[in-house]
Amino acid sequence: EAEVAQSPRYKITEKSQAVAFWCDPISGHATLYWYRQILGQGPELLVQFQDESVVDDSQLPKDRFSAERLKGVDSTLKIQPAELGDSAMYLCASRETIQETQYFGPGTRLLVL
Amino acid sequence: GENVEQHPSTLSVQEGDSAVIKCTYSDSASNYFPWYKQELGKRPQLIIDIRSNVGEKKDQRIAVTLNKTAKHFSLHITETQPEDSAVYFCAASVSGTASKLTFGTGTRLQVTL
Repeated sequence: EAEVAQSPRYKITEKSQAVAFWCDPISGHATLYWYRQILGQGPELLVQFQDESVVDDSQLPKDRFSAERLKGVDSTLKIQPAELGDSAMYLCASRETIQETQYFGPGTRLLVL
Repeated sequence: GENVEQHPSTLSVQEGDSAVIKCTYSDSASNYFPWYKQELGKRPQLIIDIRSNVGEKKDQRIAVTLNKTAKHFSLHITETQPEDSAVYFCAASVSGTASKLTFGTGTRLQVTL
């Protein structure tokens, strides 16, 4: 069964450093999401792509966060500079455009020291 | 935007008992309501979903009910087993290409022997 892939699984960095996360959605899934999940809370949407276009980035802190999906397949989420409050799980999800079900990747757990 | 509230935040039941988790939503346009199960350190996985044209849906020991008038939906797990122990998240969205999920804050279910 196809799954969403993410890397790295864990990342420890110091504040003010740059970090990048990678997501490879299920093949054929045109819609891709990046979520941030703070410990003990539900996932919160950061950015949504339809193919290579951003559909919604209203909750993305654009002063430090950026996301791209250049060829409409895999995606990268970057934080520069990282702050202590960015420590969280970053989840990627994808879905077929005509279906509602979102499939999640294993996430990248970020710790900012 | 949509706001989803979830209760209780923690739930402890004995093996074999039933568990009920409740969610309310604010956007009357929402018409898709999935439930995700997230085990410790693992990705959220869809366990059941319901659309607004249906009042109830059942899959073996799991059922979901929806009251559109009151804008609330519930997850029911019968004959609970230790492997049901996890964090459960409800979510709501408006169907469509730009569909995005708003999650509740999660319920930690503990099934004791």
